[in-house]
Amino acid sequence: AQSVTQPDIHITVSEGASLELRCNYSYGATPYLFWYVQSPGQGLQLLLKYFSGDTLVQGIKGFEAEFKRSQSSFNLRKPSVHWSDAAEYFCAVGAPGAQKLVFGQGTRLTINP
Amino acid sequence: GAVVSQHPSRVICKSGTSVKIECRSLDFQATTMFWYRQFPKQSLMLMATSNEGSKATYEQGVEKDKFLINHASLTLSTLTVTSAHPEDSSFYICSARIGTGGDEQYFGPGTRLTVT
Repeated sequence: AQSVTQPDIHITVSEGASLELRCNYSYGATPYLFWYVQSPGQGLQLLLKYFSGDTLVQGIKGFEAEFKRSQSSFNLRKPSVHWSDAAEYFCAVGAPGAQKLVFGQGTRLTINP
Repeated sequence: GAVVSQHPSRVICKSGTSVKIECRSLDFQATTMFWYRQFPKQSLMLMATSNEGSKATYEQGVEKDKFLINHASLTLSTLTVTSAHPEDSSFYICSARIGTGGDEQYFGPGTRLTVT
């Protein structure tokens, strides 16, 4: 069964600084990988996804993520964060042909002005 | 596109009563819908998976007689919390998927349930 680990529960960065949120997964083959963002009291919004092909994936709001098979990682990056990026970020993995997604514990991002 | 709505957004009910939460895919037909529960500052816990016209598949530990799921059409799924207790208070989120097998899910805005 697949699993997802987000090692950082809470990250604080200054506005304008670069950001990297870590995600490691466990799965026997190449999974489908997702990053979602959740603002307080809201549902989840898809930032980006990886199914196959180019391992560097561009998403919305200036985010990108890189799939590294050798490290079983799918880290999320943004070169310059904005105060509006403060939210909870979830990495998720899905097995091709399976129904469910498995979510990581989430990383809460705080932005200092 | 790919908008999912939930109704109500917030609901307060008394202990022992039942409450129904609706999840609708507004601009697409959802082959599968999912119901999650989220506790404060925690991740999403999948409760059940529902396919239109068939019985929902519940995750281990989720009481199917307490959390009734009906997937009446390709655009509507409902979650009914029966005989609600204060410990059922939580944030309930639904999602819907267009394709099959591991595709992305589109999430509703969530429903905050408070049982008094």
